[in-house]
Order: sequence, then structure tokens, then C-alpha cells
Amino acid sequence: RKEVEQDPGPFNVPEGATVAFNCTYSNSASQSFFWYRQDCRKEPKLLMSVYSSGNEDGRFTAQLNRASQYISLLIRDSKLSDSATYLCVVKGGSARQLTFGSGTQLTVLP
Amino acid sequence: DTGVSQDPRHKITKRGQNVTFRCDPISEHNRLYWYRQTLGQGPEFLTYFQNEAQLEKSRLLSDRFSAERPKGSFSTLEIQRTEQGDSAMYLCASTPGLAGKNEQFFGPGTRLTVL
Repeated sequence: RKEVEQDPGPFNVPEGATVAFNCTYSNSASQSFFWYRQDCRKEPKLLMSVYSSGNEDGRFTAQLNRASQYISLLIRDSKLSDSATYLCVVKGGSARQLTFGSGTQLTVLP
Repeated sequence: DTGVSQDPRHKITKRGQNVTFRCDPISEHNRLYWYRQTLGQGPEFLTYFQNEAQLEKSRLLSDRFSAERPKGSFSTLEIQRTEQGDSAMYLCASTPGLAGKNEQFFGPGTRLTVL
């Protein structure tokens, strides 16, 4: 079983749609959680950190459920420029490195 | 550009050859990471430096792989006797290493193709 599991998609949605991505992680000692965005043939870039209380950044909302070891990302009013691969990322309690899911591919259609 | 830089951006080599990649982290970032990413997968951790000390290595890092960060600034990743399975994007990331400053900043990567 992978440490971080995501639905690979692809998700093809029309502009303006709301889309949700889910992720589960297996290491209950994990302490930090993130969503990274990766454009085609580019490096990953931090989209947002995920906090237990949930957090919002404009059209993006991230949620964390530690009991279920589940992380989500909601994108509202999707734009063409949101088309990318979204990577769920976990950092363990003692580990310094990031553990990435395989990514969920999103294409926003005009 | 003050971001993480990597060189070369692309490398094509024949099986059995040695290759070396360089990473220049963001200035004053004392933690440096190497990851490998294959098509359709997320990046996988290879190794990590705190200043010049290599503190952790993944089991993915076989004996053919070696990484250095001799002066705590730039780092090199060498792959000896390359195999076709080594074909991947090799990503470098750096972070300040300060409390509360967790974000890892990634370089553009070196894409390796082993023929």
C-alpha cells in the first residue's frame, strides 16, 4: 500500500465548476500536510498547507481529518489556468522529507 | 532569478555511462533534498542534506548513486553505470530549515534519458 493515495483522475470539468480531490495517508504519525500543484513538465509548487481546522485561500479550500487520515482539496469556480496535476503531500513526524501521492490530473475545459 | 537552479536541464546518455547533476539551492537555505520523479508518479525522496551533512538516504538510492554537498551550498548527484530504469526527472529542493518554515522550493529538474 502506498503511503499517500490519490485518485489519479483525470478530472475534466467545465469552467466555473467546483471540483474536489481526496487523498488518504497511512502514517498516523504524519504531522504536516500540503497540496502542491505541478504544471506539465514543470516542478511542483506549493499550493497551500493543510491545517486541522481547515483553511481557505481564495477559491481553494483544504480540509484535514486526522482520525480518518484523509485530506481534501476543493476548488470553486474553476479557471482554465487551474489545469494541472495536484499532488497530495505528507511530512512525517521525524522525517524531514516530503512523501507525495501520485497526483490527480485536472483539466478545466472552456 | 533567486530560485533553485539545476544543471543540466536535460541529459541523454547511453546505458553504462556515468552522469552528474548539479543543484544550486536558494541562498542561505541550509536543507537540500533530492527527489526522483517518473511519469505518472509523484516525486520520490532520494536523499537530504543539512548544510554539508548527508543525514538521510532512501533505500531507492542504490550503491550506484552518490550525492555530495561539500561546502553546504551547491550539491551534486552522480549516477554510475546508468541503467534504463534510471530514466526520470531528478528534482532538487531546498528549505530554510527554520522552525515554521516548512515549504520546500523545487528547482526545474534534470530530465535524464538512458538509452
